[in-house]
Amino acid sequence: QKEVEQNSGPLSVPEGAIASLNCTYSDRGSQSFFWYRQYSGKSPELIMSIYSNGDKEDGRFTAQLNKASQYVSLLIRDSQPSDSATYLCALRPAVGAGSYQLTFGKGTKLSVIP
Amino acid sequence: ETGVTQTPRHLVMGMTNKKSLKCEQHLGHNAMYWYKQSAKKPLELMFVYNFKEQTENNSVPSRFSPECPNSSHLFLHLHTLQPEDSALYLCASSQVLDNEQFFGPGTRLTVL
Repeated sequence: QKEVEQNSGPLSVPEGAIASLNCTYSDRGSQSFFWYRQYSGKSPELIMSIYSNGDKEDGRFTAQLNKASQYVSLLIRDSQPSDSATYLCALRPAVGAGSYQLTFGKGTKLSVIP
Repeated sequence: ETGVTQTPRHLVMGMTNKKSLKCEQHLGHNAMYWYKQSAKKPLELMFVYNFKEQTENNSVPSRFSPECPNSSHLFLHLHTLQPEDSALYLCASSQVLDNEQFFGPGTRLTVL
């Protein structure tokens, strides 16, 4: 059973602060990890993907992956009210049958307070 | 801005109705997906099509029937649904199966 765990929140941070979103997973063989942002009433939008241990930065977003500890996180620097959304963690399992399937967490709701 | 469109955006239907959801992608992708998103539950993959061929059916009840006439279009035919089927139904596409998936805006379905 592949599971992806996220704190549902809401996570409230003041504008300009760093928001830290965390995700743990049970399938040690997972290879690919993704963060999607979903605004209320909208569809998920891919914002970051990470495949190897370490940090990956893209603008104000940094994804961090630690396969040994089975967690992946998303840091949002200089948080803006427009970052307020639900952030979904997703992973793709190891190579093999059905390895293209994404398993999603329930999401963490982020609220950036002006 | 999205290359994946879905219609209708909202649908209310009775348990005895038959309706269809439509998805169209304008990205030249070859794989298309149906997901269900219920409140307080993770996104659930329902069906996967690759080059028009169904490659996955994740134990979805037969009251949901997918159809993929070509790589750009995907339908979800609904009949005799239950109130617990009320959810946001999302279509997604990717270039190939293990590429990044892009989602459509979804159809908010309410079953009375």
